[in-house]
Amino acid sequence: GEDVEQSLFLSVREGDSSVINCTYTDSSSTYLYWYKQEPGAGLQLLTYIFSNMDMKQDQRLTVLLNKKDKHLSLRIADTQTGDSAIYFCAECPTSGTYKYIFGTGTRLKVLA
Amino acid sequence: DAMVIQNPRYQVTQFGKPVTLSCSQTLNHNVMYWYQQKSSQAPKLLFHYYDKDFNNEADTPDNFQSRRPNTSFCFLDIRSPGLGDAAMYLCATSRDLARRETQYFGPGTRLLVL
Repeated sequence: GEDVEQSLFLSVREGDSSVINCTYTDSSSTYLYWYKQEPGAGLQLLTYIFSNMDMKQDQRLTVLLNKKDKHLSLRIADTQTGDSAIYFCAECPTSGTYKYIFGTGTRLKVLA
Repeated sequence: DAMVIQNPRYQVTQFGKPVTLSCSQTLNHNVMYWYQQKSSQAPKLLFHYYDKDFNNEADTPDNFQSRRPNTSFCFLDIRSPGLGDAAMYLCATSRDLARRETQYFGPGTRLLVL
């Protein structure tokens, strides 16, 4: 089946690390994306990872993939108030159609 | 900068009055998508164009139509908006339909139906 799940809310203090989790169920190889959506705005691509990778780092962002458990995480180091947003995980399986399967989104609130 | 542009950012229409939302792109991408996003939900794909080929999702209501007159522009037409159509409408593009092709989103148009 195709399902992508995320926890709905996360609250962290400014300067701490945030970890946003995502689980997916498709068993084929896949591309996994993280998008950020600020209030009233579109989706901004943050990073992506292919399922043959374990980790990808880009400045303050670290993506970890546990393919066995079908678990993806996005770690934001030194979280700032400007990181407050909804974060969507999306999967694009390499089998079947090209379509994205979005998670429900995690609302990150950064406390000053 | 190459980008995906949506106009207007906010649109107010009356119940039953046709409305058109616009999307343009400077990325020269082959694929353009329209998504509907209701509050606190994930975006839901309505349809996409691959070049001139239109592909409708099975559960997209007939009330929603789309036009792509050229590579750069794509329009979403809502023939008779209902209160349930109030949402954010997101346009996205990708270079191709291959699995590795990333989708790039515009800022969205928020539609209010009175």
